[in-house]
This record gives sequence, C-alpha cells and structure tokens, in this order.
Amino acid sequence: GAVVSQHPSRVICKSGTSVKIECRSLDFQATTMFWYRQFPKQSLMLMATSNEGSKATYEQGVEKDKFLINHASLTLSTLTVTSAHPEDSSFYICSAGPNHQADSYGYTFGSGTRLTVV
Amino acid sequence: AQSVTQLGSHVSVSEGALVLLRCNYSSSVPPYLFWYVQYPNQGLQLLLKYTSAATLVKGINGFEAEFKKSETSFHLTKPSAHMSDAAEYFCAVSSTGANSKLTFGKGITLSVRP
Repeated sequence: GAVVSQHPSRVICKSGTSVKIECRSLDFQATTMFWYRQFPKQSLMLMATSNEGSKATYEQGVEKDKFLINHASLTLSTLTVTSAHPEDSSFYICSAGPNHQADSYGYTFGSGTRLTVV
Repeated sequence: AQSVTQLGSHVSVSEGALVLLRCNYSSSVPPYLFWYVQYPNQGLQLLLKYTSAATLVKGINGFEAEFKKSETSFHLTKPSAHMSDAAEYFCAVSSTGANSKLTFGKGITLSVRP
C-alpha cells in the first residue's frame, strides 16, 4: 500500500534553533499534504494544508512564520519549525491527502516526529 | 462544518471480549468516515473507511464498523479483543470534495486485560 516516509522520528534541539521535518511519499504522488500537531494524550490538530507548487493554507491560530511549510515536489513536503522554543515541543505528523491514486481516500500518515526543544 | 464525538476517553475490556468504540458525527454534507489506530510514538494506521458504498465496512485486524445515517453513528466493533489491540483509536470525518481535510475525534484509549 501507499507509504509516507517521515524523518526524523525524533529530534532534540536547543531553544532558538530551527528544525526541518521531511515527509516523502513513496511510489505515489501526493498533491496535498496535511501537517498535524499532537499533544500528549490528545487528538491531532491540523496545522496547515500544503499543495504542490503553491503556498500552504494555515489553520487559524497557527503562526505561518514559525511553521514554514514547503511542498516543492509531488513527493516531498517539509515543515520547518523556526526559532524553536520549549512550547513547540510536540509530536508532528504529516498525511498525504485523499487524492493520490495509490489509496483513494486513505489519507496515508507518516510515522510522526517527536520534537523536544531544550 | 463537520465534527466527531467520541464519548469517554478510556475503554477497558478483557481479552476475548467484544470491543465497542463509539463514534457519532455531525456533517452538513454526506460524510466520509474513518477509524484510525495509533500505537505509542507512531503515526496513524487506517483501520477502515466508509466512502458511501456498503454501510457495513470491514477493516483490518478483524475490526468492522457500521454507518448508520439515522443515528449519525459509525461505531467500531471487534468480536474478540486481543492484547495487541491495546492502542489509541481515532474516529475521523471528511467531506467528499477534493483535498478535503480530516476532522478527528479526541480519541479513545483501549486497554485489554489478560
């Protein structure tokens, strides 16, 4: 089936530095990628929707200058957490949108990235 | 607007017992409905999905769910729980349009007692 490869799986960074998270669709093209944030014992909160070749659409309350999303190709989307602070520590998950032919309406998820800012 | 309600935060069953995880949805358009499972520090794995075909949907690992429009429900069941079923379960809804986003319920933790 369809696979989205997300890296890194966990990262620890110092406060004030930037961290890049990558999501690659394997063997299929993902025209849309969703980025979520998940706090411990809570549900997934949609941060933004990215479409290949265009600017991402951010959900209300999400700082687009802090969470930079790039979707430059049909197989790669990246989320960069800029000037990270401890409150940005969380579990970040990407998901390929419903339109890829490999798994219609399956919304394939990456394995997640545990970010810890110290 | 769409929303999903998963009542309760924790369900505990004995191994071999019936698993029933409830999900009710609200949607102004015909919905697509999903159940996902999440193990600690992992992404979400699709268990099953309803996309306006058969109302009784069979998924992986012996799970199934029935779409009941009159009750706006999409409850997840499994006849016999296994220890490996212990995880977090999320119900989600989307509309049928292109690039529709998923709206998740708050999730339910399933524990399985030996």
